[in-house]
Amino acid sequence: NAGVTQTPKFQVLKTGQSMTLQCAQDMNHEYMSWYRQDPGMGLRLIHYSVGAGITDQGEVPNGYNVSRSTTEDFPLRLLSAAPSQTSVYFCASRDYGAADTQYFGPGTRLTVL
Amino acid sequence: GQQLNQSPQSMFIQEGEDVSMNCTSSSIFNTWLWYKQDPGEGPVLLIALYKAGELTSNGRLTAQFGITRKDSFLNISASIPSDVGIYFCAGPSSGNTPLVFGKGTRLSVIA
Repeated sequence: NAGVTQTPKFQVLKTGQSMTLQCAQDMNHEYMSWYRQDPGMGLRLIHYSVGAGITDQGEVPNGYNVSRSTTEDFPLRLLSAAPSQTSVYFCASRDYGAADTQYFGPGTRLTVL
Repeated sequence: GQQLNQSPQSMFIQEGEDVSMNCTSSSIFNTWLWYKQDPGEGPVLLIALYKAGELTSNGRLTAQFGITRKDSFLNISASIPSDVGIYFCAGPSSGNTPLVFGKGTRLSVIA
């Protein structure tokens, strides 16, 4: 099993550009989440999904869109990048109802100029 | 929303020393999780706790689920250089809600 994979690993954008961060898991987990990590701020939840076709907002959703068309994939879209979105982004997945099964991807380091 | 308060924010210790860190919440948690993040990597689960008063070990790591269910502690004994990283506490505010994370404790070990 590859677990949770994320692409790209690094990305530099200019303000106003759009892009999609990819996340995939091969553990058949229903639950997938996106977090951002900023220095001194811990991990903050952006969006999450409890299954295909179902998504919900987390703590910091503004400026991000998600969709969940399959169990395996949960892409995160930045529609118009801003410098405040410079961060490290982590995707995670877990079994529904089993918090101790949450696995993280390796992260995407995004810089917005 | 839910907040988890971790302390200390950072620690510098000598190799071989023991380490203690804790996490508190303003509300009750039914599950406490402790994660470690190595530099440049995603967090990895170290220990999971499921009931009040529970004490669980994983090698040199020991974690406890507080009796009030509003706190948890992580101890590392005889620290070594590879213990360096950020330690996070986390938990779901209820059974199937997303995990909430503390801001982390950054551990540095001086050889």
